[in-house]
Amino acid sequence: EADIYQTPRYLVIGTGKKITLECSQTMGHDKMYWYQQDPGMELHLIHYSYGVNSTEKGDLSSESTVSRIRTEHFPLTLESARPSHTSQYLCASSFRGGEETQYFGPGTRLLVL
Amino acid sequence: KNQVEQSPQSLIILEGKNCTLQCNYTVSPFSNLRWYKQDTGRGPVSLTIMTFSENTKSNGRYTATLDADTKQSSLHITASQLSDSASYICVVSAGNAGNMLTFGGGTRLMVKP
Repeated sequence: EADIYQTPRYLVIGTGKKITLECSQTMGHDKMYWYQQDPGMELHLIHYSYGVNSTEKGDLSSESTVSRIRTEHFPLTLESARPSHTSQYLCASSFRGGEETQYFGPGTRLLVL
Repeated sequence: KNQVEQSPQSLIILEGKNCTLQCNYTVSPFSNLRWYKQDTGRGPVSLTIMTFSENTKSNGRYTATLDADTKQSSLHITASQLSDSASYICVVSAGNAGNMLTFGGGTRLMVKP
């Protein structure tokens, strides 16, 4: 089982609130990713990072922001949550090079009222 | 545009039966293809990974095949168990900078007793 953790697992908040979704991994992986997945739909990459102080936007435009101050930590922040942000957010990590298999966390299910 | 299409979208089978899931892709340049299993409310877990030169790879009761000429892959599940009920996602990696992944929409498999 992968050592990648996400908190909270579930979050219900009101519109306009600022939230931070936490993701941490203890595998020493340099690459980390955030995906957004609506129920029954495919995963869409919204952010990724190659290492400390590296952040890039993914294929799907997102109003969220990320930071990578430490190798093991890759938090995602929404400054002002809206109902359209309701979704599942999955964090993943991988070693750079080789097969680069991504290991996923359990996800955070976000509901914005 | 890179795309991965999976069929069927959903499938119901009886416990003990075999089934085959299909994946067609148009990803260029091709690097590798992975099959992931995603239980409801969890993050995906890697089952198999195949590169261009590999035709088949097994992981227990899961056997994946790859035809790089026709750009098709299949995942065969033998002697299904109730715990096989999940979404199975085909993921193709492009052989370019960043090794970005293209996700299929998944096949939702339900195994009934």
